[in-house]
Amino acid sequence: GENVGLHLPTLSVQEGDNSIINCAYSNSASDYFIWYKQESGKGPQFIIDIRSNMDKRQGQRVTVLLNKTVKHLSLQIAATQPGDSAVYFCAEIGYQGAQKLVFGQGTRLTINP
Amino acid sequence: EAQVTQNPRYLITVTGKKLTVTCSQNMNHEYMSWYRQDPGLGLRQIYYSMNVEVTDKGDVPEGYKVSRKEKRNFPLILESPSPNQTSLYFCASSAGLAGYNEQFFGPGTRLTVL
Repeated sequence: GENVGLHLPTLSVQEGDNSIINCAYSNSASDYFIWYKQESGKGPQFIIDIRSNMDKRQGQRVTVLLNKTVKHLSLQIAATQPGDSAVYFCAEIGYQGAQKLVFGQGTRLTINP
Repeated sequence: EAQVTQNPRYLITVTGKKLTVTCSQNMNHEYMSWYRQDPGLGLRQIYYSMNVEVTDKGDVPEGYKVSRKEKRNFPLILESPSPNQTSLYFCASSAGLAGYNEQFFGPGTRLTVL
């Protein structure tokens, strides 16, 4: 069945260090992937996306890597700040098509001072 | 300010008492969707709408109804709430299909059904 999952449910890093959040997906036909950030008490917020014809995309302090061979997605956050503390979700297009996203369970990122 | 609003933000109710959670967006988005978020299960889609009068089931539609009579509004209706519908609910909208467009999420509605 559809499964967008994460290797680690929690991740703690020191402020200023780089963070890597991983995600495994199951739909090999999916051609679009997104990372969302959810801060406490708020709705998810778009961070960055990547299409399947790319293997890397960079934003401001964030980089998403896509490895289609092993169906793996990662989000790298450079020089983490306290404001990066949140739950991060990966999402992919489900088997039913682009009208629907399938979300992973999320990874909680904690930044230690 | 471009936003998705939901009301109420918090609701405690009893089993069987019909309720409606409203959702409104001011971005003229065609696509709207409802999700529920439960610990360990992430976000699961309840219903979505690709345009006015066009709605379809998501992954967990049982016990819910929706309507899309206007482009900006997408209310979620629980005709006879049950305790297993206790959850955090999010409405989202996007300019086009969720799979290819950034979704904007509302602030969430925390529902408790006793």
